[in-house]
Amino acid sequence: GAVVSQHPSWVICKSGTSVKIECRSLDFQATTMFWYRQFPKQSLMLMATSNEGSKATYEQGVEKDKFLINHASLTLSTLTVTSAHPEDSSFYICSAPPGTANYGYTFGSGTRLTVV
Amino acid sequence: AQSVSQHNHHVILSEAASLELGCNYSYGGTVNLFWYVQYPGQHLQLLLKYFSGDPLVKGIKGFEAEFIKSKFSFNLRKPSVQWSDTAEYFCAVTRDSSYKLIFGSGTRLLVRP
Repeated sequence: GAVVSQHPSWVICKSGTSVKIECRSLDFQATTMFWYRQFPKQSLMLMATSNEGSKATYEQGVEKDKFLINHASLTLSTLTVTSAHPEDSSFYICSAPPGTANYGYTFGSGTRLTVV
Repeated sequence: AQSVSQHNHHVILSEAASLELGCNYSYGGTVNLFWYVQYPGQHLQLLLKYFSGDPLVKGIKGFEAEFIKSKFSFNLRKPSVQWSDTAEYFCAVTRDSSYKLIFGSGTRLLVRP
Protein backbone atom coordinates (compact mmCIF):
# COMPACT_ATOMS: atom_id res chain seq x y z
CA GLY A 1 0.00 0.00 0.00
CA ALA A 2 0.87 3.66 -0.06
CA VAL A 3 3.63 4.71 2.32
CA VAL A 4 4.74 8.13 3.47
CA SER A 5 8.20 8.17 5.01
CA GLN A 6 8.71 10.97 7.53
CA HIS A 7 12.12 11.97 8.91
CA PRO A 8 13.44 12.56 11.41
CA SER A 9 11.37 10.64 13.93
CA TRP A 10 12.56 12.86 16.70
CA VAL A 11 14.80 15.87 16.99
CA ILE A 12 16.08 18.04 19.79
CA CYS A 13 17.28 21.50 18.88
CA LYS A 14 18.34 24.67 20.60
CA SER A 15 16.16 27.76 20.69
CA GLY A 16 16.76 29.96 17.71
CA THR A 17 17.80 27.22 15.34
CA SER A 18 15.82 25.82 12.43
CA VAL A 19 14.67 22.28 11.91
CA LYS A 20 13.59 20.64 8.66
CA ILE A 21 11.15 17.77 8.56
CA GLU A 22 10.78 15.72 5.39
CA CYS A 23 7.93 13.63 4.12
CA ARG A 24 8.39 11.41 1.09
CA SER A 25 5.77 9.40 -0.69
CA LEU A 26 7.52 6.15 -1.47
CA ASP A 27 5.36 4.37 -4.02
CA PHE A 28 3.02 7.02 -5.26
CA GLN A 29 3.01 10.64 -6.27
CA ALA A 30 1.62 13.14 -3.82
CA THR A 31 0.71 16.47 -5.36
CA THR A 32 -0.67 17.53 -2.00
CA MET A 33 0.55 17.00 1.54
CA PHE A 34 -1.18 18.04 4.73
CA TRP A 35 0.86 19.07 7.75
CA TYR A 36 -0.56 18.60 11.22
CA ARG A 37 0.60 19.44 14.67
CA GLN A 38 -0.38 17.45 17.72
CA PHE A 39 0.17 18.74 21.23
CA PRO A 40 0.25 16.23 24.10
CA LYS A 41 -3.19 14.84 24.84
CA GLN A 42 -4.75 16.95 22.11
CA SER A 43 -6.00 16.38 18.62
CA LEU A 44 -4.27 16.91 15.32
CA MET A 45 -4.50 20.49 14.20
CA LEU A 46 -4.12 21.15 10.51
CA MET A 47 -1.37 23.70 9.97
CA ALA A 48 -1.07 23.93 6.22
CA THR A 49 -1.46 22.22 2.90
CA SER A 50 1.49 21.96 0.57
CA ASN A 51 0.97 21.75 -3.16
CA GLU A 52 3.55 20.70 -5.67
CA GLY A 53 4.43 23.60 -7.92
CA SER A 54 2.61 26.28 -5.96
CA LYS A 55 2.61 28.03 -2.63
CA ALA A 56 1.41 26.30 0.48
CA THR A 57 -1.95 27.19 1.95
CA TYR A 58 -1.85 27.97 5.65
CA GLU A 59 -4.64 27.64 8.17
CA GLN A 60 -5.73 30.66 10.12
CA GLY A 61 -3.37 31.52 12.93
CA VAL A 62 -0.39 29.62 11.56
CA GLU A 63 2.68 31.80 10.99
CA LYS A 64 3.85 31.40 7.42
CA ASP A 65 7.30 32.79 8.10
CA LYS A 66 7.84 30.47 11.01
CA PHE A 67 6.63 27.27 9.40
CA LEU A 68 8.08 27.18 5.92
CA ILE A 69 6.57 24.57 3.70
CA ASN A 70 8.02 23.49 0.40
CA HIS A 71 6.71 20.87 -1.98
CA ALA A 72 9.78 20.38 -4.13
CA SER A 73 8.61 17.43 -6.16
CA LEU A 74 5.76 14.98 -6.53
CA THR A 75 7.32 12.81 -3.83
CA LEU A 76 8.77 15.29 -1.36
CA SER A 77 7.27 17.85 0.97
CA THR A 78 9.20 19.59 3.73
CA LEU A 79 8.32 21.62 6.78
CA THR A 80 10.97 23.88 8.26
CA VAL A 81 10.43 25.29 11.71
CA THR A 82 12.47 28.47 11.69
CA SER A 83 13.93 30.15 14.77
CA ALA A 84 12.41 27.46 16.94
CA HIS A 85 11.26 28.21 20.46
CA PRO A 86 10.24 25.86 23.27
CA GLU A 87 6.57 26.51 22.52
CA ASP A 88 7.12 24.98 19.09
CA SER A 89 7.85 21.66 20.75
CA SER A 90 5.22 19.30 19.47
CA PHE A 91 4.51 16.27 17.35
CA TYR A 92 4.34 17.06 13.64
CA ILE A 93 2.63 14.69 11.23
CA CYS A 94 2.28 14.78 7.48
CA SER A 95 -0.49 13.15 5.54
CA ALA A 96 -0.99 12.54 1.87
CA PRO A 97 -4.44 12.24 0.39
CA PRO A 98 -4.88 9.36 -2.01
CA GLY A 99 -5.88 9.33 -5.63
CA THR A 100 -9.56 9.75 -6.30
CA ALA A 101 -9.98 6.00 -6.74
CA ASN A 102 -9.05 5.28 -3.17
CA TYR A 103 -10.02 7.62 -0.40
CA GLY A 104 -7.46 6.40 2.09
CA TYR A 105 -5.12 8.89 3.66
CA THR A 106 -1.54 7.94 4.30
CA PHE A 107 0.09 9.33 7.40
CA GLY A 108 3.74 9.73 8.14
CA SER A 109 5.03 8.29 11.38
CA GLY A 110 5.44 11.74 12.87
CA THR A 111 8.31 13.85 14.17
CA ARG A 112 8.69 14.65 17.83
CA LEU A 113 10.33 18.08 18.06
CA THR A 114 11.75 19.26 21.35
CA VAL A 115 13.19 22.74 21.51
CA VAL A 116 15.44 23.41 24.49
CA ALA B 1 -16.66 27.40 11.14
CA GLN B 2 -16.69 23.72 10.54
CA SER B 3 -15.93 21.68 13.64
CA VAL B 4 -15.87 18.12 14.81
CA SER B 5 -16.85 17.39 18.39
CA GLN B 6 -16.01 14.38 20.45
CA HIS B 7 -17.65 14.88 23.79
CA ASN B 8 -16.11 11.90 25.56
CA HIS B 9 -12.52 12.84 26.30
CA HIS B 10 -11.75 9.86 28.49
CA VAL B 11 -13.55 6.55 28.66
CA ILE B 12 -12.72 3.67 30.97
CA LEU B 13 -14.29 0.28 30.39
CA SER B 14 -13.82 -3.27 31.53
CA GLU B 15 -13.14 -5.99 28.99
CA ALA B 16 -16.26 -7.31 27.26
CA ALA B 17 -18.16 -4.08 27.89
CA SER B 18 -19.82 -2.37 24.96
CA LEU B 19 -18.39 0.83 23.57
CA GLU B 20 -19.95 3.86 21.98
CA LEU B 21 -17.94 6.99 21.25
CA GLY B 22 -19.76 10.08 20.12
CA CYS B 23 -18.85 12.25 17.15
CA ASN B 24 -20.78 15.25 15.88
CA TYR B 25 -19.91 17.64 13.12
CA SER B 26 -21.19 21.07 12.30
CA TYR B 27 -21.44 21.30 8.56
CA GLY B 28 -24.56 21.08 6.48
CA GLY B 29 -23.11 20.11 3.14
CA THR B 30 -21.78 16.84 1.86
CA VAL B 31 -19.37 15.20 4.26
CA ASN B 32 -17.12 12.18 4.33
CA LEU B 33 -16.56 10.73 7.77
CA PHE B 34 -13.71 8.77 9.27
CA TRP B 35 -12.65 7.14 12.50
CA TYR B 36 -8.96 6.73 13.20
CA VAL B 37 -7.21 4.96 16.04
CA GLN B 38 -3.82 5.80 17.50
CA TYR B 39 -2.28 3.10 19.65
CA PRO B 40 0.38 4.20 22.13
CA GLY B 41 3.58 5.04 20.30
CA GLN B 42 2.11 4.35 16.89
CA HIS B 43 0.70 6.44 14.12
CA LEU B 44 -2.85 6.84 13.00
CA GLN B 45 -4.68 3.90 11.53
CA LEU B 46 -7.98 4.04 9.71
CA LEU B 47 -10.75 2.10 11.44
CA LEU B 48 -13.54 2.86 9.01
CA LYS B 49 -14.94 5.50 6.72
CA TYR B 50 -18.24 6.62 5.28
CA PHE B 51 -18.73 8.27 1.90
CA SER B 52 -22.21 7.26 0.82
CA GLY B 53 -24.63 4.36 0.79
CA ASP B 54 -25.43 2.23 3.83
CA PRO B 55 -25.13 4.53 6.84
CA LEU B 56 -23.99 1.62 9.00
CA VAL B 57 -20.34 1.11 8.26
CA LYS B 58 -18.30 -1.89 9.31
CA GLY B 59 -14.63 -1.38 10.00
CA ILE B 60 -11.66 -3.37 11.14
CA LYS B 61 -11.29 -5.11 14.50
CA GLY B 62 -15.02 -5.39 15.04
CA PHE B 63 -15.74 -1.67 15.02
CA GLU B 64 -18.72 -0.11 13.31
CA ALA B 65 -20.16 3.36 13.03
CA GLU B 66 -23.53 4.75 12.07
CA PHE B 67 -24.02 7.94 10.10
CA ILE B 68 -27.18 9.74 11.20
CA LYS B 69 -27.51 12.72 8.92
CA SER B 70 -30.36 14.33 10.86
CA LYS B 71 -28.24 14.33 13.99
CA PHE B 72 -24.96 15.26 12.27
CA SER B 73 -23.47 12.30 14.06
CA PHE B 74 -21.13 9.41 13.30
CA ASN B 75 -20.79 7.43 16.50
CA LEU B 76 -18.32 4.60 16.82
CA ARG B 77 -19.40 1.33 18.40
CA LYS B 78 -18.01 -2.02 19.38
CA PRO B 79 -20.13 -4.67 21.14
CA SER B 80 -17.34 -6.09 23.26
CA VAL B 81 -14.04 -4.32 23.86
CA GLN B 82 -10.72 -5.94 24.54
CA TRP B 83 -7.72 -4.75 26.50
CA SER B 84 -5.91 -4.29 23.18
CA ASP B 85 -8.45 -1.62 22.20
CA THR B 86 -6.80 0.76 24.64
CA ALA B 87 -5.88 3.69 22.42
CA GLU B 88 -6.94 7.14 21.37
CA TYR B 89 -9.76 7.43 18.86
CA PHE B 90 -10.24 10.33 16.50
CA CYS B 91 -13.24 11.22 14.43
CA ALA B 92 -12.47 13.19 11.27
CA VAL B 93 -14.44 14.85 8.52
CA THR B 94 -13.89 16.16 5.04
CA ARG B 95 -16.49 18.29 3.36
CA ASP B 96 -17.66 18.49 -0.22
CA SER B 97 -14.78 17.76 -2.57
CA SER B 98 -12.04 18.89 -0.22
CA TYR B 99 -9.39 16.44 0.90
CA LYS B 100 -8.74 18.46 4.03
CA LEU B 101 -9.26 16.23 7.06
CA ILE B 102 -10.55 18.00 10.16
CA PHE B 103 -10.09 16.03 13.34
CA GLY B 104 -12.05 15.95 16.54
CA SER B 105 -10.29 16.36 19.85
CA GLY B 106 -9.98 12.62 20.39
CA THR B 107 -11.19 10.17 22.99
CA ARG B 108 -8.79 8.23 25.14
CA LEU B 109 -10.10 4.74 25.80
CA LEU B 110 -8.70 2.61 28.60
CA VAL B 111 -9.88 -0.97 28.76
CA ARG B 112 -9.20 -2.71 32.01
CA PRO B 113 -8.48 -6.44 31.87
